[in-house]
Amino acid sequence: QKEVEQDPGPLSVPEGAIVSLNCTYSNSAFQYFMWYRQYSRKGPELLMYTYSSGNKEDGRFTAQVDKSSKYISLFIRDSQPSDSATYLCAMSLPSGNTPLVFGKGTRLSVIA
Amino acid sequence: GAVVSQHPSRVICKSGTSVKIECRSLDFQATTMFWYRQFPKQSLMLMATSNEGSKATYEQGVEKDKFLINHASLTLSTLTVTSAHPEDSSFYICSAGGSAPMNTEAFFGQGTRLTVV
Repeated sequence: QKEVEQDPGPLSVPEGAIVSLNCTYSNSAFQYFMWYRQYSRKGPELLMYTYSSGNKEDGRFTAQVDKSSKYISLFIRDSQPSDSATYLCAMSLPSGNTPLVFGKGTRLSVIA
Repeated sequence: GAVVSQHPSRVICKSGTSVKIECRSLDFQATTMFWYRQFPKQSLMLMATSNEGSKATYEQGVEKDKFLINHASLTLSTLTVTSAHPEDSSFYICSAGGSAPMNTEAFFGQGTRLTVV
């Protein structure tokens, strides 16, 4: 079993739809959870960053972490064509200077 | 947020030559930087951890003599692909992390697309 599992998609939705992206993980020691957005041929950019369990909202984006189920989600409301990208979940241990562990990324297309 | 600059963004080189990629943290000191490789439609694969002032730590299967990493200052890490071959063609990305907890919020460079012909 891989440390982080993420459905690669592709996921295609109409403009305005609510998008749900998910990752599961196996290492219960992970404490920091992130979602990155990566446009084609660009470096990933940080979207959301949460510590331990709970929800975090930023504009149209909501990140949820359920540590008991080892499951994290990213919701995108009122999706736009500009949201079309690959979304990567990432997580790390509480100690410093440790690399992030990434999911494979989900390719999302929002159709106008 | 913090800015990480990676250069060049794209490079084409002949087989057998070496290519150097630079990763700079512009507004913070990065004691640790990470180098990743990404093949088309694949996720980021960690290649090595670059530590300022000490030797890099390479992931299993990554040849340290082929992928030379130098982290001579708190703002610069370089990755040199030596004797490049076509199979080294990939997208290389660096990320910079400072001391915890900022380190867990990694900032990425723009990536370098290497094509070996």
